[in-house]
Amino acid sequence: DIQMTQSPSSLSASVGDRVTITCRASQNINNFLNWFQQTPGRAPKLLIYAASSLQSGVPSRFSGSGSGTDFTLTISRLQPEDFATYYCHQSFGIPPSFGQGTKLEIK
Amino acid sequence: QVQLLQSGAEVKKPGASVKVSCKASGYSFTNYGVSWVRQAPGQGLEWVGWSSTYSGNTDSVQSLQGRVTLTTDASTTTAYMELRNLRSDDSAIYYCARSRFVRGILTPDYWGQGTLVTVSS
Repeated sequence: DIQMTQSPSSLSASVGDRVTITCRASQNINNFLNWFQQTPGRAPKLLIYAASSLQSGVPSRFSGSGSGTDFTLTISRLQPEDFATYYCHQSFGIPPSFGQGTKLEIK
Repeated sequence: QVQLLQSGAEVKKPGASVKVSCKASGYSFTNYGVSWVRQAPGQGLEWVGWSSTYSGNTDSVQSLQGRVTLTTDASTTTAYMELRNLRSDDSAIYYCARSRFVRGILTPDYWGQGTLVTVSS
């Protein structure tokens, strides 16, 4: 099975900051990588698919990059509603799998 | 608008079975698959499996094979996940998600609200 490792596991930042979350796959997954955002008590929300494509309706301050084994999610200017937990997700291998999550908290 | 409405919370005893439903609306049901993901209390996301609404093909994570059955009913645009021989570590929120293939990449794009399944004696 393909293992997905996110870093950091938690992160403190302020409104207006630029933050980057990384995700590393245990083997090459090409660009078969999605990013999700989850707030407490809510279902996950798709932000980025195919490593770098912005899902419809998602603000342009979110961006994704990477290919192969190393990927990043960047939020250019944090807004109050962005404080949440973020998960990467690969669907190259069977079974698909998620990273362990990165909790983004207000500093 | 796209909506996936899941059935209500369940409390089951160890060894029992549970069947969670996911009613889809607002899109052409057979043009998308349905994925299932679970989340234990305070934990991360775990892939459960996927169903093709077109062919009926399904796939599930190996650790649940033999206990989980994923089905879809195009006549009612509803997907189902049945989990048998429940254990305490099956306690989780179970989510369904509409799933499309984008350039071959399975992408769950709209999610249900989740169904809490509690397994307790």
